[in-house]
Amino acid sequence: AQSVSQHNHHVILSEAASLELGCNYSYGGTVNLFWYVQYPGQHLQLLLKYFSGDPLVKGIKGFEAEFIKSKFSFNLRKPSVQWSDTAEYFCAVSTNSGYSTLTFGKGTMLLVSP
Amino acid sequence: DTEVTQTPKHLVMGMTNKKSLKCEQHMGHRAMYWYKQKAKKPPELMFVYSYEKLSINESVPSRFSPECPNSSLLNLHLHALQPEDSALYLCASSQDSRANTEAFFGQGTRLTVV
Repeated sequence: AQSVSQHNHHVILSEAASLELGCNYSYGGTVNLFWYVQYPGQHLQLLLKYFSGDPLVKGIKGFEAEFIKSKFSFNLRKPSVQWSDTAEYFCAVSTNSGYSTLTFGKGTMLLVSP
Repeated sequence: DTEVTQTPKHLVMGMTNKKSLKCEQHMGHRAMYWYKQKAKKPPELMFVYSYEKLSINESVPSRFSPECPNSSLLNLHLHALQPEDSALYLCASSQDSRANTEAFFGQGTRLTVV
């Protein structure tokens, strides 16, 4: 079975700082990779996804992620964070061996101070 | 309309009660999911419905009983729950059950069992 690990449980940044959240997965076959964001009191929203092709994917709100197959990683980046980016971020993976079910990492709580 | 609507938003129930959670989507999606999210934990898959048929049951206790009356609706019937079942219950849908499709999540029902 696949698993996902996120390196940081809590990250605190000042506005305009750069962000990188780590995500590693373990699975030997083809994977589909996702980053979801959960703003306080709101539902999970998709930030970006990778299925195939260009390993550098761009998502909403200025986020991007890079799939590095050799490192089993899919790190999330943003060059300059804003206070409104305060939220919990989940990396998730699905595999092509079954249904579209997501295995989530434990999440990273990002707090951006103004 | 990219919404998945869940009702109620909050539910408090006793251990002898019977209640139901409801989920609705009008995106024409043919796969629907129930996830359970405990506090400070990632969502965990409970059930998958594909074309209104139960496809995956992740060894969920029988006190949780899912139902998919049509392609737009998904219910979760609750009976004789335990306090440890208190959690946020998330519904999601995707175009179909292929792994490389995006899942859309509802806001969840926050359930407290007393």
